[in-house]
Amino acid sequence: GESVGLHLPTLSVQEGDNSIINCAYSNSASDYFIWYKQESGKGPQFIIDIRSNMDKRQGQRVTVLLNKTVKHLSLQIAATQPGDSAVYFCAPDSGNTPLVFGKGTRLSVIA
Amino acid sequence: DGGITQSPKYLFRKEGQNVTLSCEQNLNHDAMYWYRQDPGQGLRLIYYSQIVNDFQKGDIAEGYSVSREKKESFPLTVTSAQKNPTAFYLCASSGRGQGASGNTIYFGEGSWLTVV
Repeated sequence: GESVGLHLPTLSVQEGDNSIINCAYSNSASDYFIWYKQESGKGPQFIIDIRSNMDKRQGQRVTVLLNKTVKHLSLQIAATQPGDSAVYFCAPDSGNTPLVFGKGTRLSVIA
Repeated sequence: DGGITQSPKYLFRKEGQNVTLSCEQNLNHDAMYWYRQDPGQGLRLIYYSQIVNDFQKGDIAEGYSVSREKKESFPLTVTSAQKNPTAFYLCASSGRGQGASGNTIYFGEGSWLTVV
């Protein structure tokens, strides 16, 4: 079955610094890798995804890096702001089963 | 606006009572899901439905029931058999949207259930 882990359950970052949230996965057959952001008391929101044939994708202030060799991906947030404080989940998508979510990483931004 | 609507946002249940959480989506998605989230924890799958009139148990289905009579609706009933129902419940659907994959899941805003 799928297993998804996160290297750092909590991450504290100074406002303005860059944040890096890591995620390891086990299913090499995943076609997409999706990142979600969950603010306190709300449902997770889609942030960005990356297809398995890519190793980098950039969005607005966020960059996803995918290393299929070691089954690892990361979400980088540039110039972290207080509004970035949330729990971040990664989810490999193999297309056939409900997504499996990791426990998540809590990002705390220090003003 | 298209989205997933859960109601109520807050619900209190007395021990021994059944309660039903509503979930409606107007995204025209075929698949719908219910997840449970305990404080400081990840998401655990309760039930999911890939098509109308069909649904499958997830990892923690005991004490819960669902129905899928319409594509837009996927209500979850928390029965008295669920011994520890206090949690945050998230409904979701998957299909075409912001993500490139048609399997991307989109969530509602959640419902808080508390046993009193």
